[in-house]
Amino acid sequence: AQRVTQPEKLLSVFKGAPVELKCNYSYSGSPELFWYVQYSRQRLQLLLRHISRESIKGFTADLNKGETSFHLKKPFAQEEDSAMYYCAPTWGIKAAGNKLTFGGGTRVLVKP
Amino acid sequence: GAGVSQSPSNKVTEKGKDVELRCDPISGHTALYWYRQSLGQGLEFLIYFQGNSAPDKSGLPSDRFSAERTGGSVSTLTIQRTQQEDSAVYLCASRQGGGNTIYFGEGSWLTVV
Repeated sequence: AQRVTQPEKLLSVFKGAPVELKCNYSYSGSPELFWYVQYSRQRLQLLLRHISRESIKGFTADLNKGETSFHLKKPFAQEEDSAMYYCAPTWGIKAAGNKLTFGGGTRVLVKP
Repeated sequence: GAGVSQSPSNKVTEKGKDVELRCDPISGHTALYWYRQSLGQGLEFLIYFQGNSAPDKSGLPSDRFSAERTGGSVSTLTIQRTQQEDSAVYLCASRQGGGNTIYFGEGSWLTVV
């Protein structure tokens, strides 16, 4: 079964400190990896996807196939980064069901 | 519309009543998902529609839950004989047929009292 794990439910950091959100997955193929973010009172939205290798709002995520991880990182956290973050690998539209599988989420709290 | 639209945005209902939640996906998106987000919990998959294929209902928690998608567009999630544990935010999302990015609605907050 395809699983995704976000081991930290809550990460509390001070403004300006680095933050890393862990995501590990088990797979039976080659997933495409996404991070979604939900700010307070806003809808869940895409933050970044590994295939584009981009940096959004200072966040980057590196796919490590050997460790089956897709950790999200930002060197200097800002207060506006406080939100709920979900890791979501997908095994593509040809995979069984193509349910986008979300991790349990990590709440990030950036303190001033 | 420009995004996924859900209604009602908030619903308070009495235990035992039926509720219907509506989702209007982004125009042209063939895939539609329903998820549930409970307080302090992650995202729980409920059901997935893809074009004219049979829906994947494997996430529906009980037979009180059902969903349909008419004409390949609007979807309705129905919860019969609501229970307090059904209280949650019900999220709808849609995806374009050839892509992997999904777009979420703002959710329907359901409170069963």
